[in-house]
Amino acid sequence: DAKTTQPNSMESNEEEPVHLPCNHSTISGTDYIHWYRQLPSQGPEYVIHGLTSNVNNRMASLAIAEDRKSSTLILHRATLRDAAVYYCTTLSNFGNEKLTFGTGTRLTIIP
Amino acid sequence: DTGVSQNPRHKITKRGQNVTFRCDPISEHNRLYWYRQTLGQGPEFLTYFQNEAQLEKSRLLSDRFSAERPKGSFSTLEIQRTEQGDSAMYLCASSIGDRGPYDEQFFGPGTRLTVL
Repeated sequence: DAKTTQPNSMESNEEEPVHLPCNHSTISGTDYIHWYRQLPSQGPEYVIHGLTSNVNNRMASLAIAEDRKSSTLILHRATLRDAAVYYCTTLSNFGNEKLTFGTGTRLTIIP
Repeated sequence: DTGVSQNPRHKITKRGQNVTFRCDPISEHNRLYWYRQTLGQGPEFLTYFQNEAQLEKSRLLSDRFSAERPKGSFSTLEIQRTEQGDSAMYLCASSIGDRGPYDEQFFGPGTRLTVL
């Protein structure tokens, strides 16, 4: 799996958009980009994934750079419940199913 | 609640004792994963099962660790002769298992182990 790099921490005001960056410069052409988040005292939960095109779901949007060496998770309107550690990871299309987590980005939401 | 469940939620033991954790995955999920998480770090992969077959083990899984999934349903993770370095959160996750890189993993709440 490609190595990912994320900022250690970020802050955002409540009800404002949040852009969480991730670098994955060694990603291969068939690796998918996955984002998980971990709320305090809970196990991680899936947020979103993508390959090349930008993706939207009920939780967030994923913007993938054209060269795929970076991506950005977008929370359109942050709430206090979005305070968590956000992990960016990659998954191979060839059966390497285990998730490899870095240290993630700790997102603090300011009321 | 049909999510992944783990028991116990907390375990305190003395160095040298054996401990066993249980994970009940989401019904009909074929894949089951174990991860370990220490304070301030992301989860680290330990091992995973496809039904009852253990398909991959991390080098983190020393000989003192053993995992089973005897009937392809629940799984147990046993640590023998615990050491203080084993203190961590042990997370279990499950997935449908036939979706390749689309396979979303559902995590349980974890078992926090403290070795005194």
